[in-house]
Amino acid sequence: DTGVSQDPRHKITKRGQNVTFRCDPISEHNRLYWYRQTLGQGPEFLTYFQNEAQLEKSRLLSDRFSAERPKGSFSTLEIQRTEQGDSAMYLCASSSREANRDEQFFGPGTRLTVL
Amino acid sequence: DAKTTQPPSMDCAEGRAANLPCNHSTISGNEYVYWYRQIHSQGPQYIIHGLKNNETNEMASLIITEDRKSSTLILPHATLRDTAVYYCIVSYGGSQGNLIFGKGTKLSVKP
Repeated sequence: DTGVSQDPRHKITKRGQNVTFRCDPISEHNRLYWYRQTLGQGPEFLTYFQNEAQLEKSRLLSDRFSAERPKGSFSTLEIQRTEQGDSAMYLCASSSREANRDEQFFGPGTRLTVL
Repeated sequence: DAKTTQPPSMDCAEGRAANLPCNHSTISGNEYVYWYRQIHSQGPQYIIHGLKNNETNEMASLIITEDRKSSTLILPHATLRDTAVYYCIVSYGGSQGNLIFGKGTKLSVKP
């Protein structure tokens, strides 16, 4: 399957613990996005990479959140000192600068539950 | 905040056309209208986008009014698998392409 993949699909953690999620975009897609979605709401933008450069961060991305894309391929999203309010679906998407449709391809998401 | 307004829910009979409206009265001249949908427990899926002209692809048609203040997504022959939340989004696309989702329209296709 050549779609966007995310790992893990589900994560349950206790408040105060650190968690890290991984996203593997479609190969050769140079743009990668992270979104967060809570129940009953649409996805909310968190951050965006073009190749390895993090070009934009939402104000939703507090100091406890950090995202990296070290070689311009896969990306990680780390949440430190998790809080119950961090419980959500974390979605990754990728797109190609060269594609004239510029559509974003989304992964299946990582569902985080903070107890 | 999302720049679009959509009805929270709609029903459609299987095999009939589903017409999903969207208002985007503050859209700027170089912003596109994008439609995505999200089937339960999956990530959003791109459907179609347009700037000024009507667009059609294998999934749907997009009708944009002449003043660009509203649009309609048309699923010509809805099936049960089209039951999903449909999001209408205005975006510059390209390097400014982070999408601002609203709450969307929950389309229920009924037998």
